[in-house]
Amino acid sequence: EAEVAQSPRYKITEKSQAVAFWCDPISGHATLYWYRQILGQGPELLVQFQDESVVDDSQLPKDRFSAERLKGVDSTLKIQPAELGDSAMYLCASSMGPGDEQFFGPGTRLTVL
Amino acid sequence: GIQVEQSPPDLILQEGANSTLRCNFSDSVNNLQWFHQNPWGQLINLFYIPSGTKQNGRLSATTVATERYSLLYISSSQTTDSGVYFCAVGGTETSGSRLTFGEGTQLTVNP
Repeated sequence: EAEVAQSPRYKITEKSQAVAFWCDPISGHATLYWYRQILGQGPELLVQFQDESVVDDSQLPKDRFSAERLKGVDSTLKIQPAELGDSAMYLCASSMGPGDEQFFGPGTRLTVL
Repeated sequence: GIQVEQSPPDLILQEGANSTLRCNFSDSVNNLQWFHQNPWGQLINLFYIPSGTKQNGRLSATTVATERYSLLYISSSQTTDSGVYFCAVGGTETSGSRLTFGEGTQLTVNP
């Protein structure tokens, strides 16, 4: 069964360090999303890609966060420098197209010390 | 932006009991999904149901789009049903295809 892959599953870092997360969507899915989930809350969108283009990054803290999907397949989300408040679960999702059913990966749990 | 309210926030059941979870949303949507988040944090797709009724085993869901609510029914609950259930909506004019999640319902099923 096709699944969204993410790595690493867990990441512990110190504040001011750089971290990067990787996502490989379901094959053939043109739309890719990065969400952040703070403990006790629902996920919130950080950035949405359609193929290799960013279509929504209105909630992405651009001073420290960046995201890319260079070939329109897998994607990387980077934080530099990490802050204590960045501790959260980072979830990647993909769908065939905008508005279609979204499928989520297992997430990366980030702890910033 | 669109508001999504889930009720109840917490629910404790005995194994075998039935339950209904509710999701209210504040705008017209083209996408509504129900998820179960397992203890490891993974979101498991339950239903993609922008309108109508669907059933999958002991679970069923109904969305009444014109009245802006959706219901998730769990029958004959099992301990493995425990976890957080999220409703998420998308496809609005203001939010595009991003999913906006409710705060979730924490379900505990006791043996």
